[in-house]
Parts: sequence; C-alpha cells; structure tokens
Amino acid sequence: QKEVEQNSGPLSVPEGAIASLNCTYSDRGSQSFFWYRQYSGKSPELIMSIYSNGDKEDGRFTAQLNKASQYVSLLIRDSQPSDSATYLCAVGRGTALIFGKGTTLSVSS
Amino acid sequence: KAGVTQTPRYLIKTRGQQVTLSCSPISGHRSVSWYQQTPGQGLQFLFEYFSETQRNKGNFPGRFSGRQFSNSRSEMNVSTLELGDSALYLCASSSPGQKETQYFGPGTRLLVL
Repeated sequence: QKEVEQNSGPLSVPEGAIASLNCTYSDRGSQSFFWYRQYSGKSPELIMSIYSNGDKEDGRFTAQLNKASQYVSLLIRDSQPSDSATYLCAVGRGTALIFGKGTTLSVSS
Repeated sequence: KAGVTQTPRYLIKTRGQQVTLSCSPISGHRSVSWYQQTPGQGLQFLFEYFSETQRNKGNFPGRFSGRQFSNSRSEMNVSTLELGDSALYLCASSSPGQKETQYFGPGTRLLVL
C-alpha cells in the first residue's frame, strides 16, 4: 500500500463547476496535511494546510480532513481555466513531506 | 520576503560526473529540505537540515549528500551520476513555528547524459 494515494486523473470539469480532489494516506498517526498546486514546468505552490478534522476554507478552496477514514480532500469552487494544474497531496512525517503522485485537473472554458 | 532561490536552474552532466546544487531559504527560515521529482516516482524526500545538522533522511543511496551552512543556505551533492538521476531537484524551506509547512524554490533541472 502506498503511503499517500491520489487518483492520477485527468479530472475534467467545466468552468464554474466544483472540482473535488481526493487523497488517502496509510499512516494513522499523521498529523499534518497539505495541498500543493504544480503547473507544468513549475515548482509546487502551497494552497492549503490542515491539521484538524473537519473543513478549512480559504477563498475558493476548501480542504477537508477525516482522520478516522484517513482521507483528505480539496474542493475548488467556481473552477477557472487557470486552475488547470496537477494537485499534490502531502502528509507530514516528522520533518519530511510524503507526496502522492498528484491529480491532474483540467478546467475547460 | 524573497522566496526560496536555487542555483543553477538547469544543468547538463554526463554519467560518472558529480554535481552540486545550491539553495537559499526564505529569510528567517532555518529548515531546508531537498526533494527529487521524476515522472515515474513523483516527489520524493531526500533529506532535511536544521541548524547545520541533518535531521531526517529519505531512502536514497549515499551518492546523494547535503550540507547546511551557518546562514541556513544549503547545498546538495550527487556523486557518480547515473542516467536515472535526471530529475527536477527541489529545495523547500520552513519556519519552526509553521508546523512543517514547506515553501518550494523553482528547482534545478538536471539532465544526465
């Protein structure tokens, strides 16, 4: 079992729709969770961090954490073509981040 | 604040050579982590330095090494390069008060021929 798993996609949504990105992790003791966005040819950019069960909202982005189910998700409301990128889920393990392979999101106008 | 900077941005080497990559963290950040990103393996943790000490290490061979200087700048070295070392090498810095939140630099793209 991989430590952090994401569907590779591509996930295709029309402009203005809600995009839902999912991530599961294997280490039940994990305490910190992150979502990064990576445009083609660029480095990862931090979108959200979440540490407690429940929802955390920041603008059009909402991160959801369920530690009992070992599940993290990212919702993007009112998706824009500029949101087209690869979204990486990361789980903290000590001072390291363990990344999933990423989900490619494509938003069509 | 200026972000994480990495030099050089692009590098071409041949098998058997060695390479040194440099990273300057965000001002005030004392932790520097290094990652390797390849299409096949994704983003993988190499090692992390704090106050000139390696605190954490990923599962990479000893050919990969690093160090950190007193000003928090860090270097990583790869000796005896192999074709499979071709990758994007990313440096990230974090502040102790930010619960492992890491900010990435632009990366160094290494091509081994």
